[in-house]
Amino acid sequence: AQRVTQPEKLLSVFKGAPVELKCNYSYSGSPELFWYVQYSRQRLQLLLRHISRESIKGFTADLNKGETSFHLKKPFAQEEDSAMYYCALTGTGGGNKLTFGTGTQLKVEL
Amino acid sequence: SAVISQKPSRDICQRGTSLTIQCQVDSQVTMMFWYRQQPGQSLTLIATANQGSEATYESGFVIDKFPISRPNLTFSTLTVSNMSPEDSSIYLCSVEGDREGGYGYTFGSGTRLTVV
Repeated sequence: AQRVTQPEKLLSVFKGAPVELKCNYSYSGSPELFWYVQYSRQRLQLLLRHISRESIKGFTADLNKGETSFHLKKPFAQEEDSAMYYCALTGTGGGNKLTFGTGTQLKVEL
Repeated sequence: SAVISQKPSRDICQRGTSLTIQCQVDSQVTMMFWYRQQPGQSLTLIATANQGSEATYESGFVIDKFPISRPNLTFSTLTVSNMSPEDSSIYLCSVEGDREGGYGYTFGSGTRLTVV
Protein backbone atom coordinates (compact mmCIF):
# COMPACT_ATOMS: atom_id res chain seq x y z
CA ALA A 1 0.00 0.00 0.00
CA GLN A 2 1.16 3.50 -0.67
CA ARG A 3 0.90 6.15 2.00
CA VAL A 4 1.92 9.78 2.41
CA THR A 5 2.31 11.40 5.80
CA GLN A 6 2.39 15.12 6.46
CA PRO A 7 2.73 15.46 10.22
CA GLU A 8 1.88 19.15 10.49
CA LYS A 9 -1.64 20.41 9.81
CA LEU A 10 -0.57 24.01 10.28
CA LEU A 11 2.81 25.69 9.99
CA SER A 12 3.14 29.33 10.88
CA VAL A 13 6.32 31.27 10.09
CA PHE A 14 7.35 34.90 9.86
CA LYS A 15 8.11 36.55 6.55
CA GLY A 16 11.75 36.03 5.64
CA ALA A 17 12.14 32.95 7.84
CA PRO A 18 13.04 29.55 6.39
CA VAL A 19 10.25 27.10 5.65
CA GLU A 20 10.27 23.32 5.76
CA LEU A 21 7.12 21.33 5.12
CA LYS A 22 7.62 17.70 6.04
CA CYS A 23 6.53 14.74 3.95
CA ASN A 24 7.28 11.07 4.51
CA TYR A 25 6.08 8.25 2.33
CA SER A 26 5.64 4.51 2.23
CA TYR A 27 5.82 2.69 -1.09
CA SER A 28 7.13 -0.72 -2.02
CA GLY A 29 8.41 0.19 -5.47
CA SER A 30 10.08 3.20 -7.03
CA PRO A 31 7.95 6.26 -6.33
CA GLU A 32 7.36 9.55 -8.01
CA LEU A 33 6.82 12.37 -5.54
CA PHE A 34 5.03 15.66 -6.05
CA TRP A 35 4.16 18.78 -4.15
CA TYR A 36 0.84 20.43 -4.95
CA VAL A 37 -0.30 23.83 -3.74
CA GLN A 38 -3.77 25.28 -3.35
CA TYR A 39 -4.00 29.03 -2.88
CA SER A 40 -7.15 30.51 -1.44
CA ARG A 41 -10.08 30.15 -3.88
CA GLN A 42 -7.89 28.62 -6.57
CA ARG A 43 -7.61 25.15 -7.99
CA LEU A 44 -5.04 22.62 -6.93
CA GLN A 45 -1.86 23.06 -8.98
CA LEU A 46 1.40 21.27 -9.33
CA LEU A 47 4.27 23.00 -7.55
CA LEU A 48 7.12 20.63 -8.29
CA ARG A 49 8.04 17.00 -8.84
CA HIS A 50 11.17 15.23 -7.76
CA ILE A 51 12.06 13.97 -11.22
CA SER A 52 12.52 17.44 -12.65
CA ARG A 53 14.77 18.53 -9.75
CA GLU A 54 13.88 22.16 -10.30
CA SER A 55 13.11 25.10 -8.07
CA ILE A 56 9.69 26.67 -8.40
CA LYS A 57 8.90 29.98 -6.67
CA GLY A 58 12.01 29.45 -4.58
CA PHE A 59 10.84 26.06 -3.30
CA THR A 60 12.94 22.91 -3.58
CA ALA A 61 12.40 19.34 -2.49
CA ASP A 62 14.85 16.47 -2.49
CA LEU A 63 13.83 12.86 -2.48
CA ASN A 64 15.64 11.00 0.30
CA LYS A 65 15.05 7.31 -0.27
CA GLY A 66 16.92 6.31 2.87
CA GLU A 67 14.64 8.35 5.06
CA THR A 68 11.65 7.98 2.68
CA SER A 69 11.13 11.71 2.81
CA PHE A 70 10.40 14.51 0.36
CA HIS A 71 10.43 17.65 2.45
CA LEU A 72 9.60 20.98 0.82
CA LYS A 73 11.93 23.85 1.63
CA LYS A 74 12.28 27.53 0.98
CA PRO A 75 15.00 29.69 2.50
CA PHE A 76 12.96 32.87 2.89
CA ALA A 77 9.19 32.75 3.22
CA GLN A 78 7.04 35.32 1.44
CA GLU A 79 3.53 36.40 2.32
CA GLU A 80 2.24 35.03 -0.98
CA ASP A 81 3.43 31.57 -0.01
CA SER A 82 0.51 31.25 2.39
CA ALA A 83 -1.50 28.31 1.06
CA MET A 84 -2.35 24.67 1.53
CA TYR A 85 0.42 22.31 0.49
CA TYR A 86 -0.10 18.66 -0.35
CA CYS A 87 2.57 16.03 -0.81
CA ALA A 88 1.57 13.27 -3.23
CA LEU A 89 2.97 9.99 -4.49
CA THR A 90 2.50 7.72 -7.44
CA GLY A 91 4.34 4.79 -8.91
CA THR A 92 6.62 5.14 -11.91
CA GLY A 93 5.60 3.98 -15.34
CA GLY A 94 2.42 5.90 -15.91
CA GLY A 95 -1.22 5.08 -15.32
CA ASN A 96 -0.90 4.97 -11.57
CA LYS A 97 -3.11 6.64 -9.02
CA LEU A 98 -1.94 9.63 -7.04
CA THR A 99 -2.06 9.31 -3.25
CA PHE A 100 -2.18 12.52 -1.23
CA GLY A 101 -1.06 13.41 2.24
CA THR A 102 -3.43 15.25 4.54
CA GLY A 103 -1.90 18.60 3.70
CA THR A 104 -0.15 21.36 5.62
CA GLN A 105 -1.56 24.85 5.84
CA LEU A 106 1.33 27.32 5.61
CA LYS A 107 0.71 30.72 7.09
CA VAL A 108 3.33 33.40 6.57
CA GLU A 109 2.98 36.25 9.01
CA LEU A 110 4.37 39.74 8.65
CA SER B 1 -0.26 20.80 -19.67
CA ALA B 2 -3.88 19.80 -20.24
CA VAL B 3 -6.65 22.25 -19.48
CA ILE B 4 -9.66 20.85 -17.66
CA SER B 5 -13.12 22.38 -17.57
CA GLN B 6 -15.32 21.05 -14.80
CA LYS B 7 -18.94 21.90 -14.15
CA PRO B 8 -20.95 22.74 -12.25
CA SER B 9 -18.62 24.66 -10.00
CA ARG B 10 -21.03 24.32 -7.11
CA ASP B 11 -24.51 23.06 -6.35
CA ILE B 12 -26.90 22.67 -3.46
CA CYS B 13 -28.99 19.53 -3.74
CA GLN B 14 -31.79 17.86 -1.85
CA ARG B 15 -31.09 14.55 -0.19
CA GLY B 16 -32.19 11.57 -2.23
CA THR B 17 -31.47 13.25 -5.56
CA SER B 18 -28.54 12.77 -7.93
CA LEU B 19 -26.01 15.16 -9.42
CA THR B 20 -23.88 14.61 -12.50
CA ILE B 21 -20.53 16.37 -12.71
CA GLN B 22 -18.89 16.87 -16.08
CA CYS B 23 -15.21 17.07 -16.90
CA GLN B 24 -13.92 18.17 -20.31
CA VAL B 25 -10.24 18.05 -21.27
CA ASP B 26 -8.72 20.00 -24.14
CA SER B 27 -6.61 17.03 -25.28
CA GLN B 28 -7.02 13.28 -25.52
CA VAL B 29 -6.05 11.43 -22.37
CA THR B 30 -6.09 7.76 -21.61
CA MET B 31 -7.02 7.91 -17.96
CA MET B 32 -9.13 10.31 -15.97
CA PHE B 33 -9.36 10.27 -12.21
CA TRP B 34 -12.14 11.36 -9.88
CA TYR B 35 -11.35 12.56 -6.36
CA ARG B 36 -13.35 13.64 -3.35
CA GLN B 37 -12.19 16.20 -0.83
CA GLN B 38 -14.35 16.22 2.27
CA PRO B 39 -14.37 19.34 4.44
CA GLY B 40 -11.03 19.84 6.13
CA GLN B 41 -9.57 16.67 4.68
CA SER B 42 -7.24 15.60 1.92
CA LEU B 43 -8.10 14.28 -1.50
CA THR B 44 -9.29 10.70 -1.78
CA LEU B 45 -9.40 8.86 -5.07
CA ILE B 46 -12.88 7.60 -5.95
CA ALA B 47 -12.20 5.85 -9.24
CA THR B 48 -10.13 5.75 -12.39
CA ALA B 49 -11.98 6.07 -15.68
CA ASN B 50 -10.60 4.55 -18.88
CA GLN B 51 -12.23 5.11 -22.22
CA GLY B 52 -13.95 1.97 -23.48
CA SER B 53 -13.96 0.05 -20.22
CA GLU B 54 -15.61 0.15 -16.83
CA ALA B 55 -14.19 2.45 -14.22
CA THR B 56 -11.99 1.02 -11.49
CA TYR B 57 -13.22 1.96 -8.03
CA GLU B 58 -11.18 2.37 -4.88
CA SER B 59 -12.04 0.63 -1.66
CA GLY B 60 -15.10 2.17 -0.08
CA PHE B 61 -16.58 3.46 -3.33
CA VAL B 62 -19.09 1.57 -5.46
CA ILE B 63 -20.48 1.98 -8.94
CA ASP B 64 -24.10 2.18 -7.79
CA LYS B 65 -23.31 5.24 -5.69
CA PHE B 66 -20.80 6.89 -8.05
CA PRO B 67 -21.50 5.80 -11.63
CA ILE B 68 -18.94 7.09 -14.11
CA SER B 69 -19.13 7.50 -17.85
CA ARG B 70 -16.19 7.87 -20.21
CA PRO B 71 -17.61 8.08 -23.72
CA ASN B 72 -14.43 9.39 -25.39
CA LEU B 73 -10.86 10.42 -24.68
CA THR B 74 -11.69 14.01 -23.71
CA PHE B 75 -14.78 13.72 -21.51
CA SER B 76 -16.04 12.01 -18.38
CA THR B 77 -18.91 12.34 -15.94
CA LEU B 78 -19.29 11.37 -12.31
CA THR B 79 -22.75 10.99 -10.82
CA VAL B 80 -23.33 11.19 -7.10
CA SER B 81 -26.49 9.15 -6.58
CA ASN B 82 -29.12 9.13 -3.87
CA MET B 83 -27.30 11.89 -2.05
CA SER B 84 -27.14 12.36 1.69
CA PRO B 85 -25.53 15.18 3.71
CA GLU B 86 -22.42 12.99 4.10
CA ASP B 87 -21.81 13.41 0.37
CA SER B 88 -21.21 17.12 0.84
CA SER B 89 -17.69 17.52 -0.51
CA ILE B 90 -15.60 18.97 -3.27
CA TYR B 91 -15.35 16.61 -6.22
CA LEU B 92 -12.43 16.96 -8.62
CA CYS B 93 -11.40 15.35 -11.84
CA SER B 94 -7.79 14.93 -12.82
CA VAL B 95 -5.72 13.78 -15.74
CA GLU B 96 -2.18 12.57 -15.95
CA GLY B 97 0.07 14.97 -17.79
CA ASP B 98 2.98 14.36 -20.05
CA ARG B 99 5.50 12.77 -17.73
CA GLU B 100 8.40 13.49 -20.00
CA GLY B 101 7.38 17.10 -20.06
CA GLY B 102 7.22 17.19 -16.28
CA TYR B 103 3.60 18.27 -16.08
CA GLY B 104 2.47 15.89 -13.35
CA TYR B 105 -1.25 15.57 -12.81
CA THR B 106 -3.63 18.39 -13.67
CA PHE B 107 -6.83 19.04 -11.74
CA GLY B 108 -10.15 20.61 -12.56
CA SER B 109 -11.40 23.52 -10.50
CA GLY B 110 -13.69 21.25 -8.53
CA THR B 111 -17.40 20.97 -7.84
CA ARG B 112 -18.49 22.06 -4.38
CA LEU B 113 -21.52 19.97 -3.48
CA THR B 114 -23.76 20.71 -0.53
CA VAL B 115 -26.53 18.25 0.27
CA VAL B 116 -29.37 19.52 2.43
